[in-house]
Amino acid sequence: QVQLVESGGAVVQPGRSLRLSCAASGFTFGNYGMHWVRQAPGKGLEWVAVIWYDGSNKNYGDSVKGRFTISRDNSKNTLYLQMNSLRVEDTAVYYCARDPETKSVPDNYFDHWGQGTLVTVSS
Amino acid sequence: DIVMTQSPDSLTVSLGERATINCKSSQTVLYISNNRNYLAWYQQKPGQPPKLLIYWASTRESGVPDRFSGSGSGTDFTLTVSSLQAEDAAVYYCQQYYTTPFTFGQGTKLEIK
Repeated sequence: QVQLVESGGAVVQPGRSLRLSCAASGFTFGNYGMHWVRQAPGKGLEWVAVIWYDGSNKNYGDSVKGRFTISRDNSKNTLYLQMNSLRVEDTAVYYCARDPETKSVPDNYFDHWGQGTLVTVSS
Repeated sequence: DIVMTQSPDSLTVSLGERATINCKSSQTVLYISNNRNYLAWYQQKPGQPPKLLIYWASTRESGVPDRFSGSGSGTDFTLTVSSLQAEDAAVYYCQQYYTTPFTFGQGTKLEIK
């Protein structure tokens, strides 16, 4: 069965950096586009970034563009999110999510989600 | 950005009755060339990640009970839960994937009476 397990969440000060990881199993990771979606405490969902199945294309939400970088290592079945210049408003649970399309342009909805990892940005 | 607006923000419906949640997009999410609406619905229960219910506005995800159905086109969409069960209590979100940034509605909290 598809499994996505996020890690790396922590309490960090504003302006610092953090890298999240998402370990994938139960499917051929390198065939699927992957996303990060976040949810601030008690709030709704916000799409953060997408990366194509082969890493050839990436796209970001406006609020993280220029600060966050999505990447993947298909040999390790792992997705990453490098977060720099963190702000208080980046505080959220970060979910990795699988795109349903295989070996093609992502469909950009999310058919499987991890349990999430909490990032708290606070001084 | 496409703004997704759900209504109502919350609703309480009796067991066995029908619940209807609306989602309106600020611009069309219908791609004319393939006649597909780029609209999905998710269910989120407390402490859990969202779960995909419906995609392409009306296609039910595998394993989702058939009491869940999606309808609509262009800018106006509806999620209907017929014959409500206790386990349907959750927050429901619509999401457009027509164009970046992919955006969600604010969520609708469904409570069971």
